[in-house]
Amino acid sequence: SQQGEEDPQALSIQEGENATMNCSYKTSINNLQWYRQNSGRGLVHLILIRSNEREKHSGRLRVTLDTSKKSSSLLITASRAADTASYFCATDEGGGFKTIFGAGTRLFVKA
Amino acid sequence: NAGVTQTPKFQVLKTGQSMTLQCAQDMNHNSMYWYRQDPGMGLRLIYYSASEGTTDKGEVPNGYNVSRLNKREFSLRLESAAPSQTSVYFCASTMGQVQYFGAGTRLSVL
Repeated sequence: SQQGEEDPQALSIQEGENATMNCSYKTSINNLQWYRQNSGRGLVHLILIRSNEREKHSGRLRVTLDTSKKSSSLLITASRAADTASYFCATDEGGGFKTIFGAGTRLFVKA
Repeated sequence: NAGVTQTPKFQVLKTGQSMTLQCAQDMNHNSMYWYRQDPGMGLRLIYYSASEGTTDKGEVPNGYNVSRLNKREFSLRLESAAPSQTSVYFCASTMGQVQYFGAGTRLSVL
């Protein structure tokens, strides 16, 4: 069963706009991660946020975590055509070795 | 420094054939993973190896076997391929929580 569920499933925006993706999960976590997958490629790690953190920034990325609601959001500001990809949230299962991925949000940025 | 290398990149099998997917990492990571990804879905964990000499089942282990040959290599074997195993297979390694992925193996079972 999947731990993370992303919303929306697909998102289409114009270049320069902001893109927001949401992730909900079911059980307690130690950390939550976001990954990007370009078409036909493997996943690439973007950012990790720990359960005691509420917000984290990395370049044009901003991630928030609300453990009371078991949800996270990924904001990409000033999007570019090169940001076109699928974005996945991933959670640990209470600190174990398994990482559980959601089904992903497909982002399409129109030039 | 190649990271995680998977071979082959593409494979077509007939139902009932067997094959082994190879994965090697050069980052001295302890843990390694095999996932499958089906269209429009996230990754589902098949097997993982927390450290050399150990392997454990993930979410969808049926029809697969694995071998952690040494710290670098983690192979996935399909003993009798079925059409339901048509998928893209990803190997990953990790030190800590961040996973590093290979480019994937695209497998079709006819």
